[in-house]
Formats: sequence, C-alpha cells, structure tokens
Amino acid sequence: DAGITQSPRHKVTETGTPVTLRCHQTENHRYMYWYRQDPGHGLRLIHYSYGVKDTDKGEVSDGYSVSRSKTEDFLLTLESATSSQTSVYFCAISDLGLDKNIQYFGAGTRLSVL
Amino acid sequence: AQTVTQSQPEMSVQEAETVTLSCTYDTSESDYYLFWYKQPPSRQMILVIRQEAYKQQNATENRFSVNFQKAAKSFSLKISDSQLGDAAMYFCAYRSNDMRFGAGTRLTVKP
Repeated sequence: DAGITQSPRHKVTETGTPVTLRCHQTENHRYMYWYRQDPGHGLRLIHYSYGVKDTDKGEVSDGYSVSRSKTEDFLLTLESATSSQTSVYFCAISDLGLDKNIQYFGAGTRLSVL
Repeated sequence: AQTVTQSQPEMSVQEAETVTLSCTYDTSESDYYLFWYKQPPSRQMILVIRQEAYKQQNATENRFSVNFQKAAKSFSLKISDSQLGDAAMYFCAYRSNDMRFGAGTRLTVKP
C-alpha cells in the first residue's frame, strides 16, 4: 500500500461547523488530490496540489478550501459544513516519472453532516 | 468536458466464469490514460489495470485484461476465472489533465 494516511476515518458534525480533514503521505510525491465519492457519481475532484503552497480547483470545489504547507500534508477544510457535503472523502497522490499518471488512494474519510 | 460512462450499475458472475464490465468515454484528446480501479467493502481504491491511449496492445494483468477500442472510445474490463475476492465496485477512469471517474459497476461473484 502507498503510504497515505487519512484522518479522521469517520466524523459526524453539525451543519455550520468547520471541519478539517487531513491527508498525510510518506512517499514524498509531488501531487496530492482530494476527491469526494457519492452514489451515482463515482469520484469527483475537489482540489489538488502540485507542490507546497501550490493548489488549484477541481470539478466540485465550491464550499471547500485546501492548504499544503509541507510536502507530506494536504488539508481539506469545510469552512461551514452543509448536509450536501455528507460524503466519503478520498485523498490521492501521484508523482513524476514513468508512473506519473497513476494515482494512489488513501482509505477514505466518511463525513456525516447532520 | 471529458465524461466516463459505465452503463452497468450491477453485474454478477458465477465463480470461475468470465465477466466483462463496460466503459465508454468522451474526449477530443488524442493522448490520455485509462484505468480500472477496484473498491472492495473496505473502501480502499485499488488499481487493477491501466492502458495508455497511444498503445494499441491491450493491457493484461494476470486474470484481468482490457479491450481498448480507441476509435469507439470504449474500454472494457474482462475478468477471467472469477474469484469470490473479485466482488467489489469497479470504477473506470480517464486521465488527460484531470482524472474523471465513471459511476461504478457493482460486481457480485456467486459461489
């Protein structure tokens, strides 16, 4: 398994509260991604990072922000959680080189917003 | 925008038999990559097989093989000698710039 740790694995929160999910990698990969997984939609890209302090928006970025202050950590923040953000969140990593187009995934975080 | 379509929400196969999962995609790019990921109940996303669009030869990984038809924009996954451990959600994915995923096919393996 790629060295990717997501925390927490499960979280229940209330509407309007801030939430931060953490992705930690030990692979020293350059690229990191946050996806959400919902029934009928597969995985959809929220934000990604191509280096420390370098981030960009994905397909479904509204209501989310990210930060990457170190190579190994990529944080996803919901500033004010809403019920529509109830989902399973996956972090992924990839790097340069021959396998640059392969993304390796963490185990996911199940977030419930009540 | 690129889209990926998996037209089979659910499939089932008898143990030791062969099953084919379908995937089509829409793109105007000529250089891209295609993937099949497996997601068992543990929720972990596991790469099963990948195909580079510039390669005409279909990728194979043990019991897993693909039928890549570039002109038809089709990328199906064949699982031979199905095993109980193959039961999972299978996602087709396309990558040019972003990675785009299909909605998934749930595969059941019957003993």
